[in-house]
Amino acid sequence: DGGITQSPKYLFRKEGQNVTLSCEQNLNHDAMYWYRQDPGQGLRLIYYSQIVNDFQKGDIAEGYSVSREKKESFPLTVTSAQKNPTAFYLCASKSGQTAGYTFGSGTRLTVV
Amino acid sequence: GESVGLHLPTLSVQEGDNSIINCAYSNSASDYFIWYKQESGKGPQFIIDIRSNMDKRQGQRVTVLLNKTVKHLSLQIAATQPGDSAVYFCAVSGSARQLTFGSGTQLTVLP
Repeated sequence: DGGITQSPKYLFRKEGQNVTLSCEQNLNHDAMYWYRQDPGQGLRLIYYSQIVNDFQKGDIAEGYSVSREKKESFPLTVTSAQKNPTAFYLCASKSGQTAGYTFGSGTRLTVV
Repeated sequence: GESVGLHLPTLSVQEGDNSIINCAYSNSASDYFIWYKQESGKGPQFIIDIRSNMDKRQGQRVTVLLNKTVKHLSLQIAATQPGDSAVYFCAVSGSARQLTFGSGTQLTVLP
């Protein structure tokens, strides 16, 4: 079955560490997105990529980095520069022919 | 840019009643609208969508209404069931083909 897979489901990070969240899709979608969701709030765009080897900052990119070396993969690194990284992170993808996004099941990151 | 807001952050309904969740958007050039359902700890799931050339679209127990004059979108759920309890987001797409999301309405179904 085609879909979008995020891993791990839960992730714990110590202060000062970088961590990388995985996002893989086998939908042959061109565009991929990373969102951050805080309790009781909507989705805020971190980074997006519309094509391989290209990506753009979203509204809250500071403290995050991404890469898009393969069409299927769009990993997100939460760096030590992100001061408040505890949140639920969602990855999404979209084909060029449709406007709707397909979401992964999310990664909950907690700083300990 | 686009902004999207929901009228109520929470909504409680009795099981079997109909639910109505409302959303307002700011950009009159927006041409595609989606409703997502998000259960606790999971990613949003597509429910129903509508394009700007339509006023109404129906799915299984759900109906989306679009009023372009006042830039208002609503999701109606018929005969609400306990499994409908979730956060509902509207999302709006404009010329940039990117979605802007509302903040979500938490629907609670009471027994």
